[in-house]
Amino acid sequence: DSGVTQTPKHLITATGQRVTLRCSPRSGDLSVYWYQQSLDQGLQFLIQYYNGEERAKGNILERFSAQQFPDLHSELNLSSLELGDSALYFCASSVTGAGEQFFGPGTRLTVL
Amino acid sequence: AQSVTQLDSHVSVSEGTPVLLRCNYSSSYSPSLFWYVQHPNKGLQLLLKYTSAATLVKGINGFEAEFKKSETSFHLTKPSAHMSDAAEYFCVVPLSGGYNKLIFGAGTRLAVHP
Repeated sequence: DSGVTQTPKHLITATGQRVTLRCSPRSGDLSVYWYQQSLDQGLQFLIQYYNGEERAKGNILERFSAQQFPDLHSELNLSSLELGDSALYFCASSVTGAGEQFFGPGTRLTVL
Repeated sequence: AQSVTQLDSHVSVSEGTPVLLRCNYSSSYSPSLFWYVQHPNKGLQLLLKYTSAATLVKGINGFEAEFKKSETSFHLTKPSAHMSDAAEYFCVVPLSGGYNKLIFGAGTRLAVHP
């Protein structure tokens, strides 16, 4: 158990809908990262937040957004969902903005 | 730009035999490198990391990896496979020399047979 929690574990929704994935980092970690794992693209970095501010951006679609709240938990919002957004979404956290990352168990999103 | 290539998408071994998972990296400088493991329906766990100290790195569960600059390789090995080692393994390099953007290899699925 890494100490990073993600909810929900599974999410099934329809195309065009909007969902929110939640991540709570390990106690004391200031940085949160989001990754997407899909069969065709593999594991890809989406975005990083550090102490409430966006730190780095990867291959994140404009339909996706994230934020980190004052209590350091983070939410990833996915809107106008498409079939291709079906994937496992991981959150990771680290103490600093450049430290070892600890991964949560993931949220499996299925778009029908 | 940094990148990693995992040379085998699937590796199958018998329990008790050695494991070798191959990874080559591309970088303009000596990078940090990691191996992560993902068990079925679980998150990713760090197995070991190389950060330019010793070239032979020991990790958890009996795994180790050797950084070879001349071969640009960072292969993962274990002397004797256990059934519990069946999982997907990822070779990982940070994008910019810091640790914030991780670039994952395509993964190697390890099967262990009795």
